[in-house]
Amino acid sequence: GQNIDQPTEMTATEGAIVQINCTYQTSGFNGLFWYQQHAGEAPTFLSYNVLDGLEEKGRFSSFLSRSKGYSYLLLKELQMKDSASYLCAACSNDYKLSFGAGTTVTVRA
Amino acid sequence: IAGITQAPTSQILAAGRRMTLRCTQDMRHNAMYWYRQDLGLGLRLIHYSNTAGTTGKGEVPDGYSVSRANTDDFPLTLASAVPSQTSVYFCASSEGQGGYDEQFFGPGTRLTVL
Repeated sequence: GQNIDQPTEMTATEGAIVQINCTYQTSGFNGLFWYQQHAGEAPTFLSYNVLDGLEEKGRFSSFLSRSKGYSYLLLKELQMKDSASYLCAACSNDYKLSFGAGTTVTVRA
Repeated sequence: IAGITQAPTSQILAAGRRMTLRCTQDMRHNAMYWYRQDLGLGLRLIHYSNTAGTTGKGEVPDGYSVSRANTDDFPLTLASAVPSQTSVYFCASSEGQGGYDEQFFGPGTRLTVL
């Protein structure tokens, strides 16, 4: 089976930086996704990494190390609206996503 | 319609009853998916369809069935609901069949089985 691990909760102050780590073990690998999910809403796509390295997209960046089975999502200049759950998902060799349980980020003023 | 819609928004159902959750997308996406989301477990794939006319089983398919008669619709049926099927159900779609395509999620259906 697939195994996706990420922390349950993180708290940070408005304007700060938070890094959410994710480790994965899958049958084959076809990329790593990050989704954002606000309470009571649907997940929305944030990023996709398939090659090693850092992908930057505005205040959000995502990093992948395939050899270590590791990814992180970096949220910079935190805003109150960034309070949400962040879902790590790995794509295995059958092209299906396996999701972690999600990391709830709380941004405090 | 813009994107992907689900109905109903929420439902309370007696155990043993049959229930169909509806999902419609207007993006002409090839692939569609059904997930359930439970606290502490994350999203788990129930069934999927890579293209109209084909379906496949995901991680937790027991007690559920799907059909894909056309590109736009992908209903999920619980033949005889049980309390363990209490969950939030999300339908999703992606342009291609590959998992590397971004998935677009519907707003979800909150189902309670008593």
